Amino acid sequence: LAKTTQPISMDSYEGQEVNITCSHNNIATNDYITWYQQFPSQGPRFIIQGYKTKVTNEVASLFIPADRKSSTLSLPRVSLSDTAVYYCLVGSRITGTASKLTFGTGTRLQVTL
Amino acid sequence: KAGVTQTPRYLIKTRGQQVTLSCSPISGHRSVSWYQQTPGQGLQFLFEYFSETQRNKGNFPGRFSGRQFSNSRSEMNVSTLELGDSALYLCASMALGGMNTEAFFGQGTRLTVV
Repeated sequence: LAKTTQPISMDSYEGQEVNITCSHNNIATNDYITWYQQFPSQGPRFIIQGYKTKVTNEVASLFIPADRKSSTLSLPRVSLSDTAVYYCLVGSRITGTASKLTFGTGTRLQVTL
Repeated sequence: KAGVTQTPRYLIKTRGQQVTLSCSPISGHRSVSWYQQTPGQGLQFLFEYFSETQRNKGNFPGRFSGRQFSNSRSEMNVSTLELGDSALYLCASMALGGMNTEAFFGQGTRLTVV
């Protein structure tokens, strides 16, 4: 599994756009990128997943450059409730195979007024 | 659709005792994984069960074991508890498994060993 590197923490003001970048230099051809969000004392929650270029859903956007060695999670207009830890994961896209999510240290996002 | 249910939510045990945690996955999901989360080590994979068979295992001692029933409900057991086993234990449910599917996590069981 490709190792990921993220900033340990980030601060933002409410209403701003937040971009969290994840580095995964050893990503393999079959790997794709998934982001999870975790609030204190709760399980992680899936945010977004992508393989290349750009993916957008109602919560966030994921930007993946052509070389796929990094990815950026973009949270538009954050609110206080977006304060959480964000994890970037990289793994194979083979359906039905054994699953082992490898979480790094994550990025602790603190949103203030 | 009901989410992943873990019971109990909180548990206090004494060193040397054993404990059993339960996880009910989302209906129709066949893959159940267990994770341990501590402040020092972060989120670490324990094991995964699929159709009652363990198909993946993390680097934890044999004191940690699990099983899955025919209805996909899973239990994990920790024997001879140590202080370092104090953690949040999370269960994740997936439809089939494999990294390209979304994992749904329960709220966890907070285990405190005293």
